[in-house]
Amino acid sequence: DGGITQSPKYLFRKEGQNVTLSCEQNLNHDAMYWYRQDPGQGLRLIYYSQIVNDFQKGDIAEGYSVSREKKESFPLTVTSAQKNPTAFYLCASKRQANSPLHFGNGTRLTVT
Amino acid sequence: AQSVSQHNHHVILSEAASLELGCNYSYGGTVNLFWYVQYPGQHLQLLLKYFSGDPLVKGIKGFEAEFIKSKFSFNLRKPSVQWSDTAEYFCAVNEANMLTFGGGTRLMVKP
Repeated sequence: DGGITQSPKYLFRKEGQNVTLSCEQNLNHDAMYWYRQDPGQGLRLIYYSQIVNDFQKGDIAEGYSVSREKKESFPLTVTSAQKNPTAFYLCASKRQANSPLHFGNGTRLTVT
Repeated sequence: AQSVSQHNHHVILSEAASLELGCNYSYGGTVNLFWYVQYPGQHLQLLLKYFSGDPLVKGIKGFEAEFIKSKFSFNLRKPSVQWSDTAEYFCAVNEANMLTFGGGTRLMVKP
């Protein structure tokens, strides 16, 4: 079955460490997205990529980095510069502009 | 694990018709509920959210949703749709800080 895989579901890191969240899709989708959710808020867009080897900053890109070397993969690195990294991170993808959006199951990152 | 069902995958309405999109979730504990919208060519936007209090929640652009705990439902409504409401709508449930989305409903409003 096609889908988006985010792993792991729960991730724990110590403050000051970079951590990379995985997002893989086998849907042959061109566009991929990373969102973050904090308690009491809706989703906020971190980064998105419309095509391989290209990506754009979303609303809250500071302290994050991404790469899109392969169509299937869009890993998100939460760097030590991110001041409040503890959150729920959601990856999504879609084929093109007017296609349905598909979501991964998310990764809950806790930094202590 | 929590699951979210949006029963209508595609809805076609004429302008001025009333809209109700269904959303049901599976887990009956403490949940926060959201409706998101994605307009063609744009990113997800939050329409409305329910955390506590009045179960009838009003959002942007004339949308509202009613949380019915006994039915595990959070249906989205709008009395009179406009062509500009053409979009994809997603219901989401936050439980224990994990967010689960429904499969989405594509709404097309004919002028």
